[in-house]
Amino acid sequence: EPEVTQTPSHQVTQMGQEVILRCVPISNHLYFYWYRQILGQKVEFLVSFYNNEISEKSEIFDDQFSVERPDGSNFTLKIRSTKLEDSAMYFCASSDYGTGVTEKLFFGSGTQLSVL
Amino acid sequence: GQNIDQPTEMTATEGAIVQINCTYQTSGFNGLFWYQQHAGEAPTFLSYNVLDGLEEKGRFSSFLSRSKGYSYLLLKELQMKDSASYLCAVIFGTGFQKLVFGTGTRLLVSP
Repeated sequence: EPEVTQTPSHQVTQMGQEVILRCVPISNHLYFYWYRQILGQKVEFLVSFYNNEISEKSEIFDDQFSVERPDGSNFTLKIRSTKLEDSAMYFCASSDYGTGVTEKLFFGSGTQLSVL
Repeated sequence: GQNIDQPTEMTATEGAIVQINCTYQTSGFNGLFWYQQHAGEAPTFLSYNVLDGLEEKGRFSSFLSRSKGYSYLLLKELQMKDSASYLCAVIFGTGFQKLVFGTGTRLLVSP
């Protein structure tokens, strides 16, 4: 079965540093998402992306966050100046909404971000 | 509001049946998903309900009542590997672009 891939699997950074989390969505999917899960807490929506622009974002997704689809395959999440509270597992997801198939999300295996 | 409530933890024995409930208090409901998540891993899709009734898929079934804001996930013939968190997630509004997750129910299956 096709899958969403994320790199790196673990990222350790110092507070205030910039990080870029990378994702390769499933090739024929149209919608891309970032979610995060702080340890022991629920999965939280960050942002959705369609047709090369953000379609929806949550309150968490403030000015320090940005997303980009730099080419036809990658989808990135950038955190400009990391804070301790950004430590979480970040999941990329994609869906094939619009093809008539159930709009389920396919999640990547996640990037565990640790901000020290 | 977009509250989604699930029990925090449940326990069951191998071979048994368990029902995990989910209630949601919101308008703009547009569908409900159940995902399975093993510790440290990504959520994986189990089921999707948009109309009232029962959807059966092998050992797993999911039920929805839109008027009651209620869903359940039924797991039959439990296996040890079913020990995981089960996440209820709801789509709101007209766009299929944002899932709101509940806190998840951690299921422990014992021999």
